[in-house]
Amino acid sequence: DGGITQSPKYLFRKEGQNVTLSCEQNLNHDAMYWYRQDPGQGLRLIYYSQIVNDFQKGDIAEGYSVSREKKESFPLTVTSAQKNPTAFYLCASSNPRTGSLEELFFGEGSRLTVL
Amino acid sequence: AQSVTQPDIHITVSEGASLELRCNYSYGATPYLFWYVQSPGQGLQLLLKYFSGDTLVQGIKGFEAEFKRSQSSFNLRKPSVHWSDAAEYFCAVGSSASKIIFGSGTRLSIRP
Repeated sequence: DGGITQSPKYLFRKEGQNVTLSCEQNLNHDAMYWYRQDPGQGLRLIYYSQIVNDFQKGDIAEGYSVSREKKESFPLTVTSAQKNPTAFYLCASSNPRTGSLEELFFGEGSRLTVL
Repeated sequence: AQSVTQPDIHITVSEGASLELRCNYSYGATPYLFWYVQSPGQGLQLLLKYFSGDTLVQGIKGFEAEFKRSQSSFNLRKPSVHWSDAAEYFCAVGSSASKIIFGSGTRLSIRP
């Protein structure tokens, strides 16, 4: 089945450590996105990539980094510079088409807890 | 400023009762409008979307939403809820996938 796979589902980190969240899609979508979700808040865009080897900052990129070396993969690194990294992280993808706004397809998320 | 407001943080309805979840938005032009649903610990799934045409939009799982330009609203409705509808519901607006603004969500509980 086509879809988006995020791993790990749960991750614990000590303060000062970098962690990398994996996101893989087999939908053949060009665009991929990372969102952060906090309790009682909507989703906020961290980074997005519309094509391989290119990515753009979203609304809350500070303390995060990404790469897009392959179409299928868009890993997110939460660095030690991120002051409040405990959150639920969602990866999404879409297939841009001219003349319409494409649907976002989401993975099941990764919950990061900083101890 | 562009924004999405879901005024109800938590709603409880009885199984079989009708449901309406409110969404109001502020946007420069008529944007694309969406409703997504999220089960606990899961990603989001698209219920329906609107950009133009008929202002009453049908979605999956028996949901519908009505766009009212004069009220800047896009409320989600279902005539009869099922226990499996318990989830968090997000309204979203945008002009491109990288410019979608999500509301803060409404958690729906179902009373047996």
